[in-house]
Amino acid sequence: QKEVEQNSGPLSVPEGAIASLNCTYSDRGSQSFFWYRQYSGKSPELIMFIYSNGDKEDGRFTAQLNKASQYVSLLIRDSQPSDSATYLCAVKGSGYSTLTFGKGTMLLVSP
Amino acid sequence: GAVVSQHPSRVICKSGTSVKIECRSLDFQATTMFWYRQFPKQSLMLMATSNEGSKATYEQGVEKDKFLINHASLTLSTLTVTSAHPEDSSFYICSASQGREETQYFGPGTRLLVL
Repeated sequence: QKEVEQNSGPLSVPEGAIASLNCTYSDRGSQSFFWYRQYSGKSPELIMFIYSNGDKEDGRFTAQLNKASQYVSLLIRDSQPSDSATYLCAVKGSGYSTLTFGKGTMLLVSP
Repeated sequence: GAVVSQHPSRVICKSGTSVKIECRSLDFQATTMFWYRQFPKQSLMLMATSNEGSKATYEQGVEKDKFLINHASLTLSTLTVTSAHPEDSSFYICSASQGREETQYFGPGTRLLVL
């Protein structure tokens, strides 16, 4: 059974700090990895995806993937109170169209 | 780009009635559409996967006769909750996928309340 694990949090960081969100997955054949942000009462919105080992940067966000360790992370630099939300890690296996979601990590950025 | 809409955004209905929710990809043709349900403070639960012109694939435990999915075109999928009951009250969210990585883009969701 495919599993995606995330610490539920909340992860509290002060404004301007780096927030680090982590995710592990069980299916070694997983190919694509996604980070979504979900504000309370809203639907998820895509932040970024990654499918190669290493880092991928997009603005204040950096996704990091280590397939050997089955680990993917999201770094948020210069965190803002508006970044306070639940961050969902999602994983897609090879040949599958569906995503397996983690339960999400709640991030709280204090002013 | 990659905008997905849902209608209605909110619906209140009486127990026993049926409710139809539409999901549209506005600026792309979606290879696949997905329907999720999310109860308060819980994670997303995939209900079914839908490909245009073929029958939906339902996840284990989801009643296909209760949650009817029609995927008539590459830009439109509908979910009908038949004979809705209060326990069906939830946040229903669709997504549509595109691109080599089949990235999923979510609609804004439909909040259903069954009285």
